[in-house]
Amino acid sequence: DSGVTQTPKHLITATGQRVTLRCSPRSGDLSVYWYQQSLDQGLQFLIQYYNGEERAKGNILERFSAQQFPDLHSELNLSSLELGDSALYFCASSVFWRGGTDTQYFGPGTRLTVL
Amino acid sequence: DAKTTQPNSMESNEEEPVHLPCNHSTISGTDYIHWYRQLPSQGPEYVIHGLTSNVNNRMASLAIAEDRKSSTLILHRATLRDAAVYYCILSGLYNFNKFYFGSGTKLNVKP
Repeated sequence: DSGVTQTPKHLITATGQRVTLRCSPRSGDLSVYWYQQSLDQGLQFLIQYYNGEERAKGNILERFSAQQFPDLHSELNLSSLELGDSALYFCASSVFWRGGTDTQYFGPGTRLTVL
Repeated sequence: DAKTTQPNSMESNEEEPVHLPCNHSTISGTDYIHWYRQLPSQGPEYVIHGLTSNVNNRMASLAIAEDRKSSTLILHRATLRDAAVYYCILSGLYNFNKFYFGSGTKLNVKP
């Protein structure tokens, strides 16, 4: 158990809908990361937040947005869903915002299926 | 983002050592080498990291070439539970901590 929790575990929805994925980081971690894992694209970095502020952005679509709240939990909002958004979404957390020695701890993921 | 190159797959026998290679020819002086693994149906899991010197922990050893352009993750006695996809990732000390995972090496362990 990494200490990172994600809810829900599974989500099934229809095209055009909007969903929210939730992540609680490990106690003491200030950074939260979101990654998407699909069969054709592998694990891709989406976005990083540190202590409530956006720090780095990856290949995140404009239909997707995220935020980190004062209690440090984070939510990833996916809207106008398309079939291609079906994937595993992982949240990770770490102590700091920059690279080097900082280790990321990953949650168990949310499996999103768009029908 | 500095990229890494790994073999797509490797096979090992149970209880034998496994050497998983990674090439990172464009590594910079402040890039740390991290290894993560992803077991089936789970999130990635930290294995080990290093900068220049070889590193050991309870899970594995990391051997880093003198020129730092390659590294090898060593599992001393593979078990069936070690069957996973192993990712070699570079993390820059002065960069944001976003990971580029690449395609990794799928390790199959035979009983």
